[in-house]
Amino acid sequence: AQTVTQSQPEMSVQEAETVTLSCTYDTSESDYYLFWYKQPPSRQMILVIRQEAYKQQNATENRFSVNFQKAAKSFSLKISDSQLGDAAMYFCAYRTRVGGGATNKLIFGTGTLLAVQP
Amino acid sequence: DAGVIQSPRHEVTEMGQEVTLRCKPISGHNSLFWYRQTMMRGLELLIYFNNNVPIDDSGMPEDRFSAKMPNASFSTLKIQPSEPRDSAVYFCASSFFRGSGNEQFFGPGTRLTVL
Repeated sequence: AQTVTQSQPEMSVQEAETVTLSCTYDTSESDYYLFWYKQPPSRQMILVIRQEAYKQQNATENRFSVNFQKAAKSFSLKISDSQLGDAAMYFCAYRTRVGGGATNKLIFGTGTLLAVQP
Repeated sequence: DAGVIQSPRHEVTEMGQEVTLRCKPISGHNSLFWYRQTMMRGLELLIYFNNNVPIDDSGMPEDRFSAKMPNASFSTLKIQPSEPRDSAVYFCASSFFRGSGNEQFFGPGTRLTVL
């Protein structure tokens, strides 16, 4: 069974600085998706970025980028020029890409609570 | 698009009562998911549907929990009888499943408190 591990329960960053959130996962599959979701105090789960395992290029979305190391099964999120609105719980998630009815199931890590200091 | 709609947003009930949570997925989406979030267990998938058919309900904690999806635009999660340990935030999410899957969009959640 696949597992997702986020080893940093809490992180803190100064406004305008850069922070990296860690995520590792365990799987025997070769093709899958990885995601970072953001959950602000409003509780709304918001997709930040996604990575397809077959793509070697790291995904980027404006100030958010990932460092995807497939062999190491590592998927870290880098937030550049941190803003106060980035303060939230961040969840790493895994989903298999193999065909069939089970492909939509997301497996979440335990989350990292990010504080942004003004 | 209104996004995934959940109701109620907050529910407070007494132990033993029946609780029904409702979800309207994004129009056009054909996969629907129910999650539960607690401090102790994090985010757990309870059940999900593809084309209104339950695909995996292995996360449903016990027989007190049941979920239905009578049509493509509506789903319910029912707890009967409710217990204090069911207190959690329950999320509904939907996506468009097309073989290789797609992003899940989450609703705002229902905060359930069972006294």
